[in-house]
Amino acid sequence: EPEVTQTPSHQVTQMGQEVILRCVPISNHLYFYWYRQILGQKVEFLVSFYNNEISEKSEIFDDQFSVERPDGSNFTLKIRSTKLEDSAMYFCASSEQLAGGGTQYFGPGTRLTVL
Amino acid sequence: ILNVEQSPQSLHVQEGDSTNFTCSFPSSNFYALHWYRWETAKSPEALFVMTLNGDEKKKGRISATLNTKEGYSYLYIKGSQPEDSATYLCAFNGNNRLAFGKGNQVVVIP
Repeated sequence: EPEVTQTPSHQVTQMGQEVILRCVPISNHLYFYWYRQILGQKVEFLVSFYNNEISEKSEIFDDQFSVERPDGSNFTLKIRSTKLEDSAMYFCASSEQLAGGGTQYFGPGTRLTVL
Repeated sequence: ILNVEQSPQSLHVQEGDSTNFTCSFPSSNFYALHWYRWETAKSPEALFVMTLNGDEKKKGRISATLNTKEGYSYLYIKGSQPEDSATYLCAFNGNNRLAFGKGNQVVVIP
């Protein structure tokens, strides 16, 4: 069964460093998302992406965040200058359709630790 | 800020017993309510997407109901088994972004 994959599973970085989190969405899906979960808190929406541009972003997704689909398969989240409070589990998701009834399929997440 | 609440936060269930828990969400601007099952170190697994008031969905021993007018959904597990141990997440879709609850952490005791 097709699945969303994410690499790496765990990333440790120093404050101020740039990180790139990678995702391979399900191949026939057109809509892509990033969410994050800070330990002990709810999963939060960051950004949605369609047709090579951002569809929607939350207030969390400020100028230090960017997303890209560099080729036909990968979908990346870049954090330019990491802060301690960026430590979280980052989930990628994809869906066939954008409408409310479309299931978003999630990857296993990348745990980002900022020291 | 979309307020999605799940209760109880955690529960222990004896193997063979049935259980249920609640997700409450805003009753306005509703598109869909999603339920996911999430085991540690694995991807959240999509269980149900519910869109219509009164919807009832079933997958094996797990079922869910939806009341969009009062803003709640129930998830039921019938005859709990150890493999049902997981966190069950509900997510409200009001504008194409999912707003999650904190989850119901279920531990089934053999």
